[in-house]
Amino acid sequence: SQTIHQWPATLVQPVGSPLSLECTVEGTSNPNLYWYRQAAGRGLQLLFYSVGIGQISSEVPQNLSASRPQDRQFILSSKKLLLSDSSFYLCAWSGGGSYGYTFGSGTRLTVV
Amino acid sequence: DQQVKQNSPSLSVQEGRISILNCDYTNSMFDYFLWYKKYPAEGPTFLISISSIKDKNEDGRFTVFLNKSAKHLSLHIVPSQPGDSAVYFCAATDSGNTPLVFGKGTRLSVIA
Repeated sequence: SQTIHQWPATLVQPVGSPLSLECTVEGTSNPNLYWYRQAAGRGLQLLFYSVGIGQISSEVPQNLSASRPQDRQFILSSKKLLLSDSSFYLCAWSGGGSYGYTFGSGTRLTVV
Repeated sequence: DQQVKQNSPSLSVQEGRISILNCDYTNSMFDYFLWYKKYPAEGPTFLISISSIKDKNEDGRFTVFLNKSAKHLSLHIVPSQPGDSAVYFCAATDSGNTPLVFGKGTRLSVIA
């Protein structure tokens, strides 16, 4: 069966520090991968998605970037965090003919 | 431009009664719709979906209705239970490789 792992669960980082959130999927190949952010009052905001290794589409230009170094690995990064980057970040995957997404358990990022 | 709208940020229902969550969309290309349920500090989980070739889909206590002419769908939960208290997200896609578009969510509180 397919599983998605996202870590860490919580993270507290100082302003100006770098960020790296990792997401991996097991039990499937060539999944579509997504990074979402849940901000208060804004629902689920799509940040990046990828349909293959090295292919990244950005939905919201901002202080973040994404990379897909391997088929089932998706990384969300920042070189210098801002206070406004504090949020709940979610990774998700889709594939296998299904339109639905399976989400990871999320990372609560607090920038102080 | 919000393509998927959930105009009620919150809803309170008594245990045992029916909960009705509404969702409207503007993109006529959308042909597949999904509902997700989300508890605090967790990733959303898939609840139920419906294709545009149907107007109703039922799964246990959950039923989704689709009115294509009105571009409106609703999720009915009956009977509502305290464990149903969560944020519910409506999502839509055009069955292509474009990412799901989510609404802002409705927070359901089921009161015992």
